[in-house]
Amino acid sequence: DARVTQTPRHKVTEMGQEVTMRCQPILGHNTVFWYRQTMMQGLELLAYFRNRAPLDDSGMPKDRFSAEMPDATLATLKIQPSEPRDSAVYFCASGLVWGSLKHGELFFGEGSRLTVL
Amino acid sequence: AQTVTQSQPEMSVQEAETVTLSCTYDTSESDYYLFWYKQPPSRQMILVIRQEAYKQQNATENRFSVNFQKAAKSFSLKISDSQLGDAAMYFCAYFNAGGTSYGKLTFGQGTILTVHP
Repeated sequence: DARVTQTPRHKVTEMGQEVTMRCQPILGHNTVFWYRQTMMQGLELLAYFRNRAPLDDSGMPKDRFSAEMPDATLATLKIQPSEPRDSAVYFCASGLVWGSLKHGELFFGEGSRLTVL
Repeated sequence: AQTVTQSQPEMSVQEAETVTLSCTYDTSESDYYLFWYKQPPSRQMILVIRQEAYKQQNATENRFSVNFQKAAKSFSLKISDSQLGDAAMYFCAYFNAGGTSYGKLTFGQGTILTVHP
């Protein structure tokens, strides 16, 4: 049963520490998204990749956030240094996008809940 | 940039009754898709229904249907015969199928739906 895998599921860290979240997209999917969910802002798009190339990361605070896809099986989202306002659930999603979102569905991971003290 | 607005932070409905969730979007593109996603307390994101902008016919999936008003840029979700399992956060989403932001999926802020027995 194919699924998007995110690690860690939960992370508690102190302000100023580096945080790295990882995502394994579904094999064969060519598009990967990173979203942040908070009660106030809902689901914000941070960045997305097509065939490992970053297409848009305008939703990401550039001074502390970075997103990469070192290979087709791994996407990473790094926060350095972390701040309390970064506390949120971070979702990774993957899909096969060719002309349209194939079958209209993105597959979401279970999210990484980050708490920065 | 495309924006998606859900003006109802919370809605409630009695079991077996019908409820409509609102969504509006802003775009200058002609080629796009619209989705409703459901997020239960488990945090899992579940696709409920999709609508292609080029189709005039409103999409339906069992008890779920949409009212797609392209000129008004409105995309509401109707849930008929509401069930306790429908209780969740519902997100409206816009997918760019063309233009400079091709492949970008933008979510609204979400609507929390409560179903009363």
